[in-house]
Amino acid sequence: DADVTQTPRNRITKTGKRIMLECSQTKGHDRMYWYRQDPGLGLRLIYYSFDVKDINKGEISDGYSVSRQAQAKFSLSLESAIPNQTALYFCATSDYSGGSYNEQFFGPGTRLTVL
Amino acid sequence: KNEVEQSPQNLTAQEGEFITINCSYSVGISALHWLQQHPGGGIVSLFMLSSGKKKHGRLIATINIQEKHSSLHITASHPRDSAVYICAVYPSYNNNDMRFGAGTRLTVKP
Repeated sequence: DADVTQTPRNRITKTGKRIMLECSQTKGHDRMYWYRQDPGLGLRLIYYSFDVKDINKGEISDGYSVSRQAQAKFSLSLESAIPNQTALYFCATSDYSGGSYNEQFFGPGTRLTVL
Repeated sequence: KNEVEQSPQNLTAQEGEFITINCSYSVGISALHWLQQHPGGGIVSLFMLSSGKKKHGRLIATINIQEKHSSLHITASHPRDSAVYICAVYPSYNNNDMRFGAGTRLTVKP
């Protein structure tokens, strides 16, 4: 079974609709991240969370919100979807080892299309 | 200008060739991460390094902190190495926000 799962894997929606993307992990990591990937661009950080009570904005948080329901679950919401939010969305997790940087483990991605 | 630049953007090689992908960055960093994105979209971590060199199988990653440059080498390339290779850095000014290059698309032909 995959350590980091995302649902749905594909979603087509219309402008103005509210969308929630979900991420679950079984790795026991405290840190979770949401990224978006656009063709020709690198991944960009939307939000990240270091634990259930700690949520932080990333580079491109406008138009998005998140919820960390439990250590294992981190959801991304688009309150009112717009076409330029069409992208591939990735969830990732990492451990933390007292000041050193640990690799991130990525989910399979969610392809979102906003018409 | 992107803080992380990769070259080349696209690379086609014949099976067995030695491959080099380059990553240059413009900010001070705490660590650098090489990732592989498969044709289906999944992303896996290859290396995380902050100095020197790491080797795993046919993959070798090097970093020169003074020159702000890292390279990923693939020896004896194989068609199954075909993927997008992504360089990412943890900037010293914000250790929590990893910055990514746009990726290098590698195609290895049999």
